[in-house]
Amino acid sequence: DAGITQSPRHKVTETGTPVTLRCHQTENHRYMYWYRQDPGHGLRLIHYSYGVKDTDKGEVSDGYSVSRSKTEDFLLTLESATSSQTSVYFCAISERQGIYEQYFGPGTRLTVT
Amino acid sequence: GEDVEQSLFLSVREGDSSVINCTYTDSSSTYLYWYKQEPGAGLQLLTYIFSNMDMKQDQRLTVLLNKKDKHLSLRIADTQTGDSAIYFCAELDTGNQFYFGTGTSLTVIP
Repeated sequence: DAGITQSPRHKVTETGTPVTLRCHQTENHRYMYWYRQDPGHGLRLIHYSYGVKDTDKGEVSDGYSVSRSKTEDFLLTLESATSSQTSVYFCAISERQGIYEQYFGPGTRLTVT
Repeated sequence: GEDVEQSLFLSVREGDSSVINCTYTDSSSTYLYWYKQEPGAGLQLLTYIFSNMDMKQDQRLTVLLNKKDKHLSLRIADTQTGDSAIYFCAELDTGNQFYFGTGTSLTVIP
C-alpha cells in the first residue's frame, strides 16, 4: 500500500469552527489531491497540489483552502465549518498527472453539527 | 463539471458474472478508469482503458468502451463474495482532471 495517512480519521465539530485535515505521504509523489465523498455524488475534487506551494482549485473548492509547505504534507482547512461540509474526505497522491494511478488514503469522516 | 453516471446498486449470486455500467458526457476524455472501494477504505485502482480502445481484459475483469454512446462497462467473471464493494468509474479530461461517478454498490450473494 502507498504510504498515505490522514489525520484525524474521525472528527465532530460545531458549525462556525475552523477545521484542518492533514494528509501525509512517504512516497515523495509530486501531486496531491483532496476529494470529498458524498452519497449520490461519488468523489468530487476540492483542491489539488502539483508541488510545494503550488495548488489549484477543483470542482468544489468554495469554503475550503489548502496549503503545502512540504512535499509530504497537504493540509485542507475549513475556515468556518458548515453542516454542508459534513462528508468523508479522501486524500490522494500520484507520481505525475494524467494517466498515472492515484493512490488514496483511508479517509477522514467529518461531521459538522 | 463532467457528468459521470452509474446505477447505485447491483446484486448477483456468487459464481455469476457482474456487469457494472457507466455513462459519461465528455467526448474528449482521454482515459477511463474503474476503482474499487471496500468498506472503510479508500479507492483502489482496478483497471483503466485508453479512449481509443474498445476492450481491455485483465484476468476476471473485462472493460468495454463504446465511445460513440459514451458508455463504459466493467464485467467481473465468476464473481466472489470478496468482490462485494462499491465500484466507481472515472474519466480523465483533457485538462488532466478526474471526474468520478456516483459509485455502484455490488452485493454478492453466497
